[in-house]
Amino acid sequence: GEDVEQSLFLSVREGDSSVINCTYTDSSSTYLYWYKQEPGAGLQLLTYIFSNMDMKQDQRLTVLLNKKDKHLSLRIADTQTGDSAIYFCADPRGKLTFGQGTILTVHP
Amino acid sequence: DAGITQSPRHKVTETGTPVTLRCHQTENHRYMYWYRQDPGHGLRLIHYSYGVKDTDKGEVSDGYSVSRSKTEDFLLTLESATSSQTSVYFCAIRTGTGGRGDYGYTFGSGTRLTVV
Repeated sequence: GEDVEQSLFLSVREGDSSVINCTYTDSSSTYLYWYKQEPGAGLQLLTYIFSNMDMKQDQRLTVLLNKKDKHLSLRIADTQTGDSAIYFCADPRGKLTFGQGTILTVHP
Repeated sequence: DAGITQSPRHKVTETGTPVTLRCHQTENHRYMYWYRQDPGHGLRLIHYSYGVKDTDKGEVSDGYSVSRSKTEDFLLTLESATSSQTSVYFCAIRTGTGGRGDYGYTFGSGTRLTVV
């Protein structure tokens, strides 16, 4: 199957690190994506990771991939109030399957 | 964003009426998708198209139909709207080339539909 699952809520204080987790079932995916959705807006591709990588870093973002456990995480360092949004992991094979989305709330 | 627009942006309609949402792209991409977004469900695929007149069902296709008579337009129709179809609808196009598994997608800004 192509199930993708995420926890629904995460609340952090400004300046702390945020870690958003995702589990997936299809181990043959070549890429896995993270999308960000700000209030009232569509989805924007935030970052992605090749399945042959364990980690990818992009400024404040770190993506970790554990293929054995089929676990993907997104770490946001020094979280800012502007990072408040819904974050989706997505498996692009087939028909682009999304997790339920994690609502990140950043408190001042 | 990447030449994809949805119309209308907002729509309120009565139960039992037909509604058509439009997705328009300017970049000639082959694959187009319609999703609905509901709290706790993320985005769920309604229908998708892989070319002119070529469409297929997604996981929540009941009550919806689609048409693609031109590359640039993908229409989603609710034949007889119900309150359970109140949602935010997103159109997406596959902008990645498919090489090395690159299936990048670009999303429209969404249509908020309320069925009363």
